[in-house]
Amino acid sequence: DAKTTQPPSMDCAEGRAANLPCNHSTISGNEYVYWYRQIHSQGPQYIIHGLKNNETNEMASLIITEDRKSSTLILPHATLRDTAVYYCIVRGSGANNLFFGTGTRLTVIP
Amino acid sequence: DTGVSQNPRHKITKRGQNVTFRCDPISEHNRLYWYRQTLGQGPEFLTYFQNEAQLEKSRLLSDRFSAERPKGSFSTLEIQRTEQGDSAMYLCASSYQGHTNEKLFFGSGTQLSVL
Repeated sequence: DAKTTQPPSMDCAEGRAANLPCNHSTISGNEYVYWYRQIHSQGPQYIIHGLKNNETNEMASLIITEDRKSSTLILPHATLRDTAVYYCIVRGSGANNLFFGTGTRLTVIP
Repeated sequence: DTGVSQNPRHKITKRGQNVTFRCDPISEHNRLYWYRQTLGQGPEFLTYFQNEAQLEKSRLLSDRFSAERPKGSFSTLEIQRTEQGDSAMYLCASSYQGHTNEKLFFGSGTQLSVL
């Protein structure tokens, strides 16, 4: 699975959009981009995933660049409960597990 | 079903003792994973099962670690002769393999402290 690079930490004001970047320059054609988050003292939680097209669900939006070498997770209106570590993971279709890096610690500030 | 359940939530043990953790996956999920997480790091994959078959165990940290899923439902992770370096959060996840891009659902973990 391709390696990802994320900033170690970010702050975001409550109510504003949180934009979390991820670089995955070695991604291959059949690899998907997944985002999970981990709130303190809980297990990771699935957020969203995508291959080429932008994706949106009730939690977030995922923007993938045309060359697929980077992506951005967008939380449109961050709340204090969105404070967590966010993991960007690249995973091939049919791969047997997820490999987590160290993620981005997002702090939402009142 | 309310999700993946792990017991106990916390375990304190003395060095050299054996410990066993239990994971109950979401009932219709056929895959079950074990991860370990130390402070400040992301979860580290240990092993996984498809039904009762353990399909990947090369990443178990040492021969003191073993996992079972005898009937393809719940699973146990055992650590023998615990060491202080085994102190970590042990996470279990389950998924349904068969979807093109399966999502893993994680439990809240078992926090192990080895004194």
